Amino acid sequence: AQSVSQHNHHVILSEAASLELGCNYSYGGTVNLFWYVQYPGQHLQLLLKYFSGDPLVKGIKGFEAEFIKSKFSFNLRKPSVQWSDTAEYFCAVNAGNNNAGNMLTFGGGTRLMVKP
Amino acid sequence: DTGVSQNPRHKITKRGQNVTFRCDPISEHNRLYWYRQTLGQGPEFLTYFQNEAQLEKSRLLSDRFSAERPKGSFSTLEIQRTEQGDSAMYLCASSSQKKPSELFFGSGTQLSVL
Repeated sequence: AQSVSQHNHHVILSEAASLELGCNYSYGGTVNLFWYVQYPGQHLQLLLKYFSGDPLVKGIKGFEAEFIKSKFSFNLRKPSVQWSDTAEYFCAVNAGNNNAGNMLTFGGGTRLMVKP
Repeated sequence: DTGVSQNPRHKITKRGQNVTFRCDPISEHNRLYWYRQTLGQGPEFLTYFQNEAQLEKSRLLSDRFSAERPKGSFSTLEIQRTEQGDSAMYLCASSSQKKPSELFFGSGTQLSVL
């Protein structure tokens, strides 16, 4: 079974600060990795995804994430956050086998508050 | 916007009552998922359909829960004899055959059991 850990439950930053949110997963096989974002009052939206290839993936709104296989990690980064990045961020994983149901396993989420 | 649609947005019910939620996926998506999210937690997988076939059910889905997708389009999730522990946000997601791993989520139905 897969599991996902997000170690930071709450993060408070000032605008223009750099962001790194940790995500570690537990699964023995090939995985697909995702970051979802949920802005206040809105539905979950896909921020970026990793399936294969370049382990540094770029997503929307200046976010990027790096897959480090040896560390089972997929940390999310942004060089300079904005007030509009205030949201909850979820890391998720599913088995990299398209014959499976592709059920996502989510981490517990990190609430980011950016102070103006 | 032709995203995933869920109704109702909110449902308040008394313990012991039955409730039913509806999900309309993105029209060309053949896969449909139900998740549950409680406060401070990430979404937890409940069940999954490919077209009208229910292919996977989590152990979280007790006998009081039943989901259907009769024509392979919209889906319903029914909870019988609701308990206070059922209070949660129920999320629906869908994905396409071309990109099965990319799930698109609806806004959810917030259930409160009094």
